Amino acid sequence: GQNIDQPTEMTATEGAIVQINCTYQTSGFNGLFWYQQHAGEAPTFLSYNVLDGLEEKGRFSSFLSRSKGYSYLLLKELQMKDSASYLCAVKDSNYQLIWGAGTKLIIKP
Amino acid sequence: KAGVTQTPRYLIKTRGQQVTLSCSPISGHRSVSWYQQTPGQGLQFLFEYFSETQRNKGNFPGRFSGRQFSNSRSEMNVSTLELGDSALYLCASSLDPLRVGAGELFFGEGSRLTVL
Repeated sequence: GQNIDQPTEMTATEGAIVQINCTYQTSGFNGLFWYQQHAGEAPTFLSYNVLDGLEEKGRFSSFLSRSKGYSYLLLKELQMKDSASYLCAVKDSNYQLIWGAGTKLIIKP
Repeated sequence: KAGVTQTPRYLIKTRGQQVTLSCSPISGHRSVSWYQQTPGQGLQFLFEYFSETQRNKGNFPGRFSGRQFSNSRSEMNVSTLELGDSALYLCASSLDPLRVGAGELFFGEGSRLTVL
């Protein structure tokens, strides 16, 4: 079967750096997405990786290793507003998105 | 441009009833996907419509159905509601996720269904 694993919850301190990992086993691979979802709100797109390596977007970076079935989302200079759930999703060989259960990130002052 | 609009935002139903949820995608987006979200379960894919045709379907019982109209607006229907159907139902639109490239999804705020 297809599976996406990510930690259920993580806690970090304001101003620090946090890395949220995502491992996947899917039928084929056509890209990996990270979305952010604040409580009570809709998920919003953060990043997309289809080739190995690091994609940087301001304070957020996303890394992909296709051979290891592994990705991480790196958040730098954490702010209180970064408290949210972070969803990892992989597009499989049928271009269907397979979603992880999400990682709830708690930022403490 | 206007985002994805879902109606109603909140609704309460009783077991055995049926419900219809509506989604208006971003102008120009022809793909509409529906998801069920419950605490701890993540996003569970229901179905995806493109140009009025259902292209993909998740592992949900036949009580869950949907359709898409010529203007790309979509509806989903759940019949014979069960307590376990209580969830946030999210609609997402995209230009076309079935293609190489990002094809990121734009989500609506969701319809929160409570079944009593």
